[in-house]
Amino acid sequence: EAQVTQNPRYLITVTGKKLTVTCSQNMNHEYMSWYRQDPGLGLRQIYYSMNVEVTDKGDVPEGYKVSRKEKRNFPLILESPSPNQTSLYFCASSFRGATEAFFGQGTRLTVV
Amino acid sequence: AQTVTQSQPEMSVQEAETVTLSCTYDTSESDYYLFWYKQPPSRQMILVIRQEAYKQQNATENRFSVNFQKAAKSFSLKISDSQLGDAAMYFCAYRSPINDYKLSFGAGTTVTVRA
Repeated sequence: EAQVTQNPRYLITVTGKKLTVTCSQNMNHEYMSWYRQDPGLGLRQIYYSMNVEVTDKGDVPEGYKVSRKEKRNFPLILESPSPNQTSLYFCASSFRGATEAFFGQGTRLTVV
Repeated sequence: AQTVTQSQPEMSVQEAETVTLSCTYDTSESDYYLFWYKQPPSRQMILVIRQEAYKQQNATENRFSVNFQKAAKSFSLKISDSQLGDAAMYFCAYRSPINDYKLSFGAGTTVTVRA
C-alpha cells in the first residue's frame, strides 16, 4: 500500500530534550516536506527536500533540522525543543511536478 | 509569496443541506493549482478536489464542487446534500508550478453537520 508513515503519532517531551520524528514513504517520491499545523494559521512548511542530500528551509524553519540521506526517509529533528514548538506536524511527499501530495498521519507534539 | 485566505473559521449546516466555504488567494502567476483538503478528527489530510488554473471548467467530485473565479482569485467549495461524515476541518491550498515543492494553506474552516 502506498503510504507516508510518521512516528510517533503522539509525543510529550520536556523543554530542551532532543527528539526526532521519523517520516518514511514507499512511493519513490523525490519531494518530501514537513509542515506544522497551528490553530488559526493552517499548515506552514518547515523544511523541504527535492531529492537525496538536497534540503532547504521553508517558511518556519527556526528550531528544526532535517536530513535526507535516503530517498524514502526524511526525519525532523528538534535539537532543543521549546513550548512554542507544541504543534501538529505533518510529513508529505510527492513526485516532482505532481499535482497531488501524500500526507502522513500527523504527529501531535507537546513540549512542556 | 502566495497567501491563501479562508475568512470563515466555522460553518454549520443541516444534514442534507448545502454549505459553501470561501477561499481567496493572492498570486502574480497565471498558471497554478488549487486544492481543497478535508481533515476529519482522525487528523488525516484527505484531498477532496483539485482545480488547474488553466481550466475554465469548475471541478466536481460527487457532492463536492468548486466555483473557480480566476479574475477574482476566488476558489469556493460547495458541499451538497451534506452528510454527518462531512464534519471536518477544510483547508484551501495553493501550489505554484514553479515552486512545486510547497503547498500554501489557508487557516481552515471547521464544518459542523447538524442531524
